[in-house]
Amino acid sequence: DTAVSQTPKYLVTQMGNDKSIKCEQNLGHDTMYWYKQDSKKFLKIMFSYNNKELIINETVPNRFSPKSPDKAHLNLHINSLELGDSAVYFCASVGGAEQFFGPGTRLTVL
Amino acid sequence: KNQVEQSPQSLIILEGKNCTLQCNYTVSPFSNLRWYKQDTGRGPVSLTIMTFSENTKSNGRYTATLDADTKQSSLHITASQLSDSASYICVVSAGDYKLSFGAGTTVTVRA
Repeated sequence: DTAVSQTPKYLVTQMGNDKSIKCEQNLGHDTMYWYKQDSKKFLKIMFSYNNKELIINETVPNRFSPKSPDKAHLNLHINSLELGDSAVYFCASVGGAEQFFGPGTRLTVL
Repeated sequence: KNQVEQSPQSLIILEGKNCTLQCNYTVSPFSNLRWYKQDTGRGPVSLTIMTFSENTKSNGRYTATLDADTKQSSLHITASQLSDSASYICVVSAGDYKLSFGAGTTVTVRA
């Protein structure tokens, strides 16, 4: 059973479109993160939620809107996609000091 | 300026050889330091987590060291295998959900 799952795995879309990426964890954790990994492989924190509440927003454009309907889910909605949004997006679930990452969603904006 | 610097950026080693990756940080306060392995096309997977009082921790053929005084950590891979080819990322936590990531070291193991 996958601990942290993301859908879709690949997403190719046109500039200006709106898209969503979903994340679910079955670990019972309270805290989840979204990360962006660019072409240089550098992981950057975007958002962190604890028990459905936003606790970190790392100066991400407001075109990105995370939504946590419950503790097990943290979805990422992106409006008006831009070329620079192309990257791999990782969701992670945190229990204690341990982070469990999802498999990633490769977003390509054309 | 990034608070976690890793070196080298990449390295190539022959199967069966050992290698050591470095991580220097300036993050303060310090809560813990983690090493992750990221295979191509996958999410990072935790190898070790060390707190201030721990100066070495092993996970199979991976051994991490921590010198909290000099703010340096290393990850040693013993008897490398082809499956060790991956990116290795050093992450330092300042507590309260604050994480600083290194840019990673890409290791390529050749037969």
